[in-house]
Amino acid sequence: DQQVKQNSPSLSVQEGRISILNCDYTNSMFDYFLWYKKYPAEGPTFLISISSIKDKNEDGRFTVFLNKSAKHLSLHIVPSQPGDSAVYFCAAYGTASKLTFGTGTRLQVTL
Amino acid sequence: EAQVTQNPRYLITVTGKKLTVTCSQNMNHEYMSWYRQDPGLGLRQIYYSMNVEVTDKGDVPEGYKVSRKEKRNFPLILESPSPNQTSLYFCASSLDGRKTNQPQHFGDGTRLSIL
Repeated sequence: DQQVKQNSPSLSVQEGRISILNCDYTNSMFDYFLWYKKYPAEGPTFLISISSIKDKNEDGRFTVFLNKSAKHLSLHIVPSQPGDSAVYFCAAYGTASKLTFGTGTRLQVTL
Repeated sequence: EAQVTQNPRYLITVTGKKLTVTCSQNMNHEYMSWYRQDPGLGLRQIYYSMNVEVTDKGDVPEGYKVSRKEKRNFPLILESPSPNQTSLYFCASSLDGRKTNQPQHFGDGTRLSIL
């Protein structure tokens, strides 16, 4: 039972344009959400997070939006750069200190 | 340099031969965790530890053991590995494991192949 879903396995965006990565969750107990970025042969690295008491968090080119009623969050990258090409995972904390990850979306930023 | 170190990075072994993957962090973090990454399934948590001598099961603990005798180390033990444990494994640590702005730091992964 996949409680955190990333329905787009891959996404291709031109350099300079906006990248939008989506994530849906089913567990209403999730109250803290994170995005991680992963390059090949490396571990995931933290990108940005959001608490369920907020609907938006911004950090430079990265913005995460949370729609609690729809159980949906999205990561916006503006402008997209070639170095952003990686696999992006969304993740969520519930009642325990267990982190549940989505299946990942591979972003390719083309020149 | 703050880091999470896993060893080995790659291992090919055979069914039933006990193996241990070590994980060490130098950030004095209380929380440590193990994940496996499989195609189409993302990262799934195997075990986690809130502090020394405190461990809990994640979502896929079957076939694995862990121990936390020291704060910095959190080894993953496969007593009798089987081919379905062939995967990419990640160790992670964070300050306290609670939902704060202290995210988990990950090691670079260990690729296990069990024949």
